[in-house]
Amino acid sequence: DIQMTQSPSFLSASVGDRVTLSCKASQNINKYLAWYQQKLGEAPKLLIYNANNLQTGIPSRFSGSGSGTDFTLTVSSLQPEDVATYFCLQHNSWLTFGSGTKLEIK
Amino acid sequence: EVQLVESGGGLVQPGRSLKLSCAASGFTFSNYYMAWVRQAPKKGLEWVATISTSGSRSYYPDSVKGRFTISRDNAKSSLYLQMNSLKSEDTATYYCARHRRSSEWYFDFWGPGTMVTVSS
Repeated sequence: DIQMTQSPSFLSASVGDRVTLSCKASQNINKYLAWYQQKLGEAPKLLIYNANNLQTGIPSRFSGSGSGTDFTLTVSSLQPEDVATYFCLQHNSWLTFGSGTKLEIK
Repeated sequence: EVQLVESGGGLVQPGRSLKLSCAASGFTFSNYYMAWVRQAPKKGLEWVATISTSGSRSYYPDSVKGRFTISRDNAKSSLYLQMNSLKSEDTATYYCARHRRSSEWYFDFWGPGTMVTVSS
């Protein structure tokens, strides 16, 4: 089974900061990684698919990069509405989620 | 607008059964693989089951294989999850989710979820 490790588990940053979240796979997953945003009490929302493709309707301050085992989600200028937990999902071999990064405003 | 609305959650005793439903609208339901994903309280997400467009194929992780059964009714645009022999560790919010396409299994839309509590 493929394991997904996200870091950090918690991140506090200021409005306007550039923020980088990491997701590492235990084996090669090519480009088959998606990122989700989950606000408190809500369902997850797709942000990025296939590592670096922005889902329709998602602000351009969100971007994804990486391939193989190492992936990154970047928020170029953090906004108050970005407070949420962010999960990665690999779909190269079955489906495995990361444990999440909780992002808060400092 | 794509909408997925789950129902059927509640409190159930260990060892009993429960059936969840998901009503889909805003898209051609029969064209999409569908799935259930769960999230235990204050925990991460776990894929639970996937079903093909026709319902002829279904897929499960080992944690629920043999206890859970996913099914669909394309005429009613509805997805179901039959959960048997429930355990306390099945306590979670259960989400209905749509796969982007049969060759790309990430989820592009999710419902708001329904809570299942397994406790005596």
